Amino acid sequence: EPEVTQTPSHQVTQMGQEVILRCVPISNHLYFYWYRQILGQKVEFLVSFYNNEISEKSEIFDDQFSVERPDGSNFTLKIRSTKLEDSAMYFCASSEVILTGELFFGEGSRLTVL
Amino acid sequence: KNEVEQSPQNLTAQEGEFITINCSYSVGISALHWLQQHPGGGIVSLFMLSSGKKKHGRLIATINIQEKHSSLHITASHPRDSAVYICAVSGSNYQLIWGAGTKLIIKP
Repeated sequence: EPEVTQTPSHQVTQMGQEVILRCVPISNHLYFYWYRQILGQKVEFLVSFYNNEISEKSEIFDDQFSVERPDGSNFTLKIRSTKLEDSAMYFCASSEVILTGELFFGEGSRLTVL
Repeated sequence: KNEVEQSPQNLTAQEGEFITINCSYSVGISALHWLQQHPGGGIVSLFMLSSGKKKHGRLIATINIQEKHSSLHITASHPRDSAVYICAVSGSNYQLIWGAGTKLIIKP
């Protein structure tokens, strides 16, 4: 069964460092998403991506965050200068269809900022 | 007020019991998702529905669009069903609005 894969599964970084989280969505999917979940809290939407551009982003997705699809298979989330409050589990998801399409999630990347 | 409310927040039951988790929402939606989050953190989509009822194995999901309410049922519950069950809705934009989740523990 096709799956969304994420790397790394866990990353520990120092405050102020840049972090790149990688995702390989399911190959025929067209819509890609990043979500995050701070420990003990709800999952929150960060950004959606379609046709090589951001479709929508939340208030959380400020100038420190960026996404790109550099090579047609990977979908990356970059945090330019990490803050302590960026510590969270980051989930990548993809879907074939927007709004009414089933979402497929990766296993998540746990980011710990010290 | 939260746009997606789930109840109960926590539920502990004995193996074999019939489980119901409820979700109410206050926004117009195009679809409602039920998801399962494992203790390790991974998220799996269980159902996506916009009307009526769906069934996968021992899981049943229903939605009432007029009442803005959905339920997830688990029949013949088993300890491996222990997880957090999350309701999320997609509206007219690309965002999913997530509920806080229901932590389910099934005791043997």
